Amino acid sequence: EIVLTQSPDTLSLSPGERAALSCRASQSVSTSLAWYQQKPGQAPRLLIYDASNRATGIPARFSGSGSGTEFTLTINSLEPEDFAVYYCQQRSDSWTFGQGTKVEIK
Amino acid sequence: EVQLLESGGGLVHPGGSLRLSCAASGFTFSNYAMTWVRQAPGKGLEWVATISAGGDFIFSADSVKGRFTISRDNSKSTLYLQMNSLAAEDTAVFYCAGFPTGARYFEYWGQGTVVTVSS
Repeated sequence: EIVLTQSPDTLSLSPGERAALSCRASQSVSTSLAWYQQKPGQAPRLLIYDASNRATGIPARFSGSGSGTEFTLTINSLEPEDFAVYYCQQRSDSWTFGQGTKVEIK
Repeated sequence: EVQLLESGGGLVHPGGSLRLSCAASGFTFSNYAMTWVRQAPGKGLEWVATISAGGDFIFSADSVKGRFTISRDNSKSTLYLQMNSLAAEDTAVFYCAGFPTGARYFEYWGQGTVVTVSS
């Protein structure tokens, strides 16, 4: 099973700052990686697919990069609505999620 | 507008059974593979099972293999999850999600249904 490890567990930032979230795979997943945002009491929402493609309706301040085992989700200039939990997910071998990174207001 | 509406959750005793449903609308259900993902209270997301668009391929997580069965009825645009031998650790919000055949991500998500396993 491919294990995805996200870091940090919690990121404390202020609105307007830049967030960089990491996702590391235990073995190569090529670019079969997606990112989701989840707010309390809500379902996850697809942000990024195939490592670097923004999903429909996702603002340009969200970007994804990486391939193989190292991936990054970058949020430029955090908006108040961006404070949430973010998960990465791979589909190279079965499906697995990372444990999540919480982006909280500092 | 795409909608996925889960139902069938509730309180069940350990060892009991429950059948979840997910009614889809707003997209061509028969062209989409479907998945169940669960989230235990205060925890992260866990993939449970996936079924291909035509229903001929099924994949399940080891944690539910032999206990949970995913199925679909394309004539009713509905996804199911039959859950047997439930245990306390199965307590979670269960989400259904859909993705185009060949996609490597979950595009559409329902709002979830709560399953509580307790005596």
